[in-house]
Amino acid sequence: GDSVTQMEGPVTLSEEAFLTINCTYTATGYPSLFWYVQYPGEGLQLLLKATKADDKGSNKGFEATYRKETTSFHLEKGSVQVSDSAVYFCALGSGSARQLTFGSGTQLTVLP
Amino acid sequence: NAGVTQTPKFRILKIGQSMTLQCTQDMNHNYMYWYRQDPGMGLKLIYYSVGAGITDKGEVPNGYNVSRSTTEDFPLRLELAAPSQTSVYFCASSRPRGQGDEQYFGPGTRLTVT
Repeated sequence: GDSVTQMEGPVTLSEEAFLTINCTYTATGYPSLFWYVQYPGEGLQLLLKATKADDKGSNKGFEATYRKETTSFHLEKGSVQVSDSAVYFCALGSGSARQLTFGSGTQLTVLP
Repeated sequence: NAGVTQTPKFRILKIGQSMTLQCTQDMNHNYMYWYRQDPGMGLKLIYYSVGAGITDKGEVPNGYNVSRSTTEDFPLRLELAAPSQTSVYFCASSRPRGQGDEQYFGPGTRLTVT
């Protein structure tokens, strides 16, 4: 079945550092790919998405490119802020209802 | 627009008790989903629905039941609560396939079974 493998955390960075969180996937067909963010005590919010190969999703300075040849969707940000501290989930959408399969999440802490 | 709302926010159940987790969305979305999130883990799909009267099992359906009598509501029923069902439960909704794949999540229900 479909699966998502996400970089293990936790990740601790200083403010303005460069962020990469790795995400690879296994799927049949042509899934959509997503990054969701979860702040403490809250539900998940969509951060960015890509629906086909070579698409780049971007939002709030975060970017990820759908790479079919390497089955990857790595999340990057050039300069993180303290307010970016959260748990980040990579997910793929597939099936008749575009059900989501999630990675295990990466806890990011950004220190001032 | 309230989006996706869930009640209750927190609940403690004794083993063998039953309860219904409520989920309502006001975005007129056809698709709705229930996920559970165990500590340190990603979310796993319990059940989903593509419209009123239509439901289907996800990855971890055992111990749960759902119904979808209206577009807005998608309640999740636990019949005989077990400690393994201690988790945070999230409801989500989305537009039909081909109209935007992203799912919108509720704030979650934290359930403890003791």
